[in-house]
Amino acid sequence: GAGVSQSPRYKVAKRGQDVALRCDPISGHVSLFWYQQALGQGPEFLTYFQNEAQLDKSGLPSDRFFAERPEGSVSTLKIQRTQQEDSAVYLCASSLFPRGARDTQYFGPGTRLTVL
Amino acid sequence: SQELEQSPQSLIVQEGKNLTINCTSSKTLYGLYWYKQKYGEGLIFLMMLQKGGEEKSHEKITAKLDEKKQQSSLHITASQPSHAGIYLCGAGALNAGGTSYGKLTFGQGTILTVHP
Repeated sequence: GAGVSQSPRYKVAKRGQDVALRCDPISGHVSLFWYQQALGQGPEFLTYFQNEAQLDKSGLPSDRFFAERPEGSVSTLKIQRTQQEDSAVYLCASSLFPRGARDTQYFGPGTRLTVL
Repeated sequence: SQELEQSPQSLIVQEGKNLTINCTSSKTLYGLYWYKQKYGEGLIFLMMLQKGGEEKSHEKITAKLDEKKQQSSLHITASQPSHAGIYLCGAGALNAGGTSYGKLTFGQGTILTVHP
């Protein structure tokens, strides 16, 4: 596609529900990053994929957060048993080269998650 | 861990005025990125700076990197209402092997308002 797409754009969940957020990176991009952006803050790193391999998950806030990219293209971020503190915008970014080093990261529009 | 401090946190200017946003890092910079974000949307890539002393311009926006000071500045000349938004600086990292890595740490953002 022309850019990074994410779905859904908005998600409202009741506390305790599981949610799945999808990211379609730019075709051919090796690197895929997930970030979490709380209201009024800059994005914070969650996890990184190089093709299908999840090489860094140091930013995932708890074991309720799980991400996958099974075929090295589309990625899904899953949050189990959502809590109110999970409310944020979840951003996905992709870049062409491995590790995204010194390489432009293109961001999707984000998914705004609200947990009631 | 690396921290990025942006100043000012918010800025209100009259159309046509020049302005500067600063980004200061607590550690050595390995690639510095500037993004713009409109409320409720993803990040739009503006510029990437890789080397000390580097300066890049796009239309009326100029960014500079001072590696010694661990600082970058974004300057907008003759601001227009279309420049309004949130400006974010992001810094790359080094992975465990000492190679550049695109895991970005962001500042908290600078909210720019331009009055016609």
